[in-house]
Amino acid sequence: DQQVKQNSPSLSVQEGRISILNCDYTNSMFDYFLWYKKYPAEGPTFLISISSIKDKNEDGRFTVFLNKSAKHLSLHIVPSQPGDSAVYFCAASALYNQGGKLIFGQGTELSVKP
Amino acid sequence: DAGVIQSPRHEVTEMGQEVTLRCKPISGHNSLFWYRQTMMRGLELLIYFNNNVPIDDSGMPEDRFSAKMPNASFSTLKIQPSEPRDSAVYFCASKTSGLATQYFGPGTRLTVL
Repeated sequence: DQQVKQNSPSLSVQEGRISILNCDYTNSMFDYFLWYKKYPAEGPTFLISISSIKDKNEDGRFTVFLNKSAKHLSLHIVPSQPGDSAVYFCAASALYNQGGKLIFGQGTELSVKP
Repeated sequence: DAGVIQSPRHEVTEMGQEVTLRCKPISGHNSLFWYRQTMMRGLELLIYFNNNVPIDDSGMPEDRFSAKMPNASFSTLKIQPSEPRDSAVYFCASKTSGLATQYFGPGTRLTVL
């Protein structure tokens, strides 16, 4: 039972355009959502998060949107840069019920072409 | 400011051998997590500790896997005996309890021949 799903294994975007990465979840107990970025041979790096009481969080070029009714979140990167090319993981946490363990999606590999 | 430290970065061993992976969490963090990444299963949680106590080990694949956290600054994940299907990248992560964000180490790439 996959509680967090990223249905697009890969995404290719032109430099300067918007990248939109999507994530769906099934467990309504999740109260915190995070995005991680991973380069080859490195550990995942925290990018941005959002609490379930919000519907948007912005940090520079990165914005995360949460639609609780649809159990869907998305990460927008504007403008996209070649250095953004990496695998992006969506993760969810039931912080106050399950101790903060993260459930990860399968990842989306983003390629930003110059 | 040191992040999560893992050793070794790479480990190649033969089937049947004992393997020990090591992790030093970020100083001050009191929750520690062990994950495994494979192509088939993605990033999956194996076990986590709060204040050095194992809280949830439901992700540990079988009895060949064991994890310990003897103090706040050190944890080990042991596989005995190792099998080829254990080949994966193993990550350690730490955080402050009450916060959601976990910080990951660089991982240990394990190859069991």
